[in-house]
Amino acid sequence: SQQGEEDPQALSIQEGENATMNCSYKTSINNLQWYRQNSGRGLVHLILIRSNEREKHSGRLRVTLDTSKKSSSLLITASRAADTASYFCATDETGANNLFFGTGTRLTVIP
Amino acid sequence: EAGVVQSPRYKIIEKKQPVAFWCNPISGHNTLYWYLQNLGQGPELLIRYENEEAVDDSQLPKDRFSAERLKGVDSTLKIQPAELGDSAVYLCASSLGFGIRETQYFGPGTRLLVL
Repeated sequence: SQQGEEDPQALSIQEGENATMNCSYKTSINNLQWYRQNSGRGLVHLILIRSNEREKHSGRLRVTLDTSKKSSSLLITASRAADTASYFCATDETGANNLFFGTGTRLTVIP
Repeated sequence: EAGVVQSPRYKIIEKKQPVAFWCNPISGHNTLYWYLQNLGQGPELLIRYENEEAVDDSQLPKDRFSAERLKGVDSTLKIQPAELGDSAVYLCASSLGFGIRETQYFGPGTRLLVL
């Protein structure tokens, strides 16, 4: 079963704007990861944030984690057409041996 | 460095037929995963191998699905017989070390359509 729920399900923005996607989960976690999936392709790992971290940056990506609210957000700044993809959060649940992927946010960046 | 290779990329079969998918992980990667991804959903783990040992196959429907990773390198996933509900993308991933906290590298997937 899937642990995370992404919000919104779909997002359409103009190139240059920022895109924010949210992930909510249900149980305690060791870490949370974000992946990108281009249409017809496999997933690509973007960033991992540990449960004791609150914010992490990687290039144009900024991830926050609020364990009290069981939620995370992924911000992509200055979006580009090439950022068009589906974005998934994946939780490493405490006591489990699987990554649980959310349902994904489909991002469209209009040139 | 070559990524995870999967074949075939697409497969169309009639229900009740068998089908097999093949995955070659990144060279040197010890852990191999098979995921099922339904349309509009995230991947769901079917089975995880550490070397040649299946360490987690709790989500694999064992009445019709089987997998093997002989010699701890490439792997095959088989469905026999296929059902309409098996139509999905089957993703293979690998990671260098053991355990789920290692970064996973995904292949492009095999898109299966069962008619």
